Amino acid sequence: DSGVTQTPKHLITATGQRVTLRCSPRSGDLSVYWYQQSLDQGLQFLIQYYNGEERAKGNILERFSAQQFPDLHSELNLSSLELGDSALYFCASSVLGLGPDTQYFGPGTRLTVL
Amino acid sequence: GQQLNQSPQSMFIQEGEDVSMNCTSSSIFNTWLWYKQDPGEGPVLLIALYKAGELTSNGRLTAQFGITRKDSFLNISASIPSDVGIYFCAISSGSARQLTFGSGTQLTVLP
Repeated sequence: DSGVTQTPKHLITATGQRVTLRCSPRSGDLSVYWYQQSLDQGLQFLIQYYNGEERAKGNILERFSAQQFPDLHSELNLSSLELGDSALYFCASSVLGLGPDTQYFGPGTRLTVL
Repeated sequence: GQQLNQSPQSMFIQEGEDVSMNCTSSSIFNTWLWYKQDPGEGPVLLIALYKAGELTSNGRLTAQFGITRKDSFLNISASIPSDVGIYFCAISSGSARQLTFGSGTQLTVLP
């Protein structure tokens, strides 16, 4: 158990819908990362937050957004869903998101878009 | 963006055998990481490498940071059934130290 929790574990929805994925980082970690794992693209970095502020963006679509709340939990919002958005979405946390910080991954949310 | 070439894509080995996998890149990096992903779980860090030429062990696992800083390999000795999973190399870069992952090596250990 990494200490990072993600809910829900599975999510099935239809094209065009909007969903919210939730992540709670390890106690004491200020930085949260979101990654997407799909068969064709592999594991890809989406976005990072540090202490409530966005720090870096990767290959995140404009239809996707995220935020980190004062209690440090984070949410990833996916809208206007397409079939290709079906994937595993992982949240990872680290203490500061700098230097040699280890990123600890949650168990993921499996999103299926029908 | 950065691309890591990881090989082999999959391996089938007998229990007790040693296994080796590697990652290469066209760019130089200061940190190489090796993760393992079990089915239904998120990746777990196995070994982190921070210096060119560094050789680091974690139990039966040994990883090396290539001297050119463009490659790394992971060895697993005396494989056991619980070694089954997907092994990823990764580099840490950017202002946020975000991870870029290789495509993974699916390891199957046959009894």
